[in-house]
Amino acid sequence: SAVISQKPSRDICQRGTSLTIQCQVDSQVTMMFWYRQQPGQSLTLIATANQGSEATYESGFVIDKFPISRPNLTFSTLTVSNMSPEDSSIYLCSVYFSVGAGYTFGSGTRLTVV
Amino acid sequence: RKEVEQDPGPFNVPEGATVAFNCTYSNSASQSFFWYRQDCRKEPKLLMSVYSSGNEDGRFTAQLNRASQYISLLIRDSKLSDSATYLCVVLYGNNRLAFGKGNQVVVIP
Repeated sequence: SAVISQKPSRDICQRGTSLTIQCQVDSQVTMMFWYRQQPGQSLTLIATANQGSEATYESGFVIDKFPISRPNLTFSTLTVSNMSPEDSSIYLCSVYFSVGAGYTFGSGTRLTVV
Repeated sequence: RKEVEQDPGPFNVPEGATVAFNCTYSNSASQSFFWYRQDCRKEPKLLMSVYSSGNEDGRFTAQLNRASQYISLLIRDSKLSDSATYLCVVLYGNNRLAFGKGNQVVVIP
């Protein structure tokens, strides 16, 4: 399966600022995704990061708030813009590598907005 | 109605006992099914895929009932290291995963 490096692992940010989260995969993957997991909640898909084109966002998530880059098949970033305390959550990137490996997740970024 | 529903528990299980739990999914067009394990403050990790005929992996047995739209997981001879949250995950046709909230299992010595 793919090995994913996600950083930062955690951050405490002031409201109104932005944070960019990076996800680096050790092999080329077609499908990369960004999820959010709020306390006590299930994982929610934010968007699918498409290489060479704009990300595909799920209902309730917009590009202005969560801009995503995918410059190549091994790397993606998610920015949480103009943060408010409601954005405090764990953000995870995920890739689909193969049928056998299923979907693999990065170790997550624990974000606290104060 | 949520796409994937699980009873969060917690399920307190004596060490060595058997525990089983289900999840239900709402979309009959769901293609693939998985159980993931998530330890506290860690990312989810694939435990096992769930096949139509049911499948085993050591002490873990997964079953799928498409007619009733539920998936089950059974853990035999529970170990302390089995304490975790077990996420039911359903894959739809556009490579979109839907997650349940998870069944929290606490194995007690």
